[in-house]
Amino acid sequence: GAGVSQSPSNKVTEKGKDVELRCDPISGHTALYWYRQSLGQGLEFLIYFQGNSAPDKSGLPSDRFSAERTGGSVSTLTIQRTQQEDSAVYLCASSWEGLAESYNEQFFGPGTRLTVL
Amino acid sequence: GQNIDQPTEMTATEGAIVQINCTYQTSGFNGLFWYQQHAGEAPTFLSYNVLDGLEEKGRFSSFLSRSKGYSYLLLKELQMKDSASYLCAVRVRQAGTALIFGKGTTLSVSS
Repeated sequence: GAGVSQSPSNKVTEKGKDVELRCDPISGHTALYWYRQSLGQGLEFLIYFQGNSAPDKSGLPSDRFSAERTGGSVSTLTIQRTQQEDSAVYLCASSWEGLAESYNEQFFGPGTRLTVL
Repeated sequence: GQNIDQPTEMTATEGAIVQINCTYQTSGFNGLFWYQQHAGEAPTFLSYNVLDGLEEKGRFSSFLSRSKGYSYLLLKELQMKDSASYLCAVRVRQAGTALIFGKGTTLSVSS
């Protein structure tokens, strides 16, 4: 498809288990972002990949969270030893990063709703 | 720190005009975005301002005053389908191109 896709759309897991969330960005987009949206809260930045540069991990809430981006395309967000406070919608976005000061509209995927019991 | 404020909820009627305000306190400001998010769906881009002034796009307009740390989104000729959350987001240089979002304003349009 032409848009950002994410899988699974819903994930229910038990506290303490590990989960992997997948994001397929728009083809040709060089930048990929992960955000999470908790109930009643704004989107919270987690991590950002740009081309071959080292990712910006400044938004990751703890060392239980990690992410990879393989081949400059697909990304996986991994949450280890999940906790109930990890329950949220995890959104992925991608953009084409041309000039440093350019527009850089981010296109969002539909999200993965994670519920930790 | 970075802080973005917008009203939690607003209501309006079909055909009316509504203005959603956003104030921000950030360092290294590098652009302000407005996104629309319908319940259960992904945010979709509405507008982008980096210079002071008004950007108009159909029924939607966005204004920015960098000196005041203030923006608004103006929606004209409201339709029922405009009922959604409207997210104000700021890009700061220290964060590359990642966005810092406000908590969003939920707009309810009634007939």
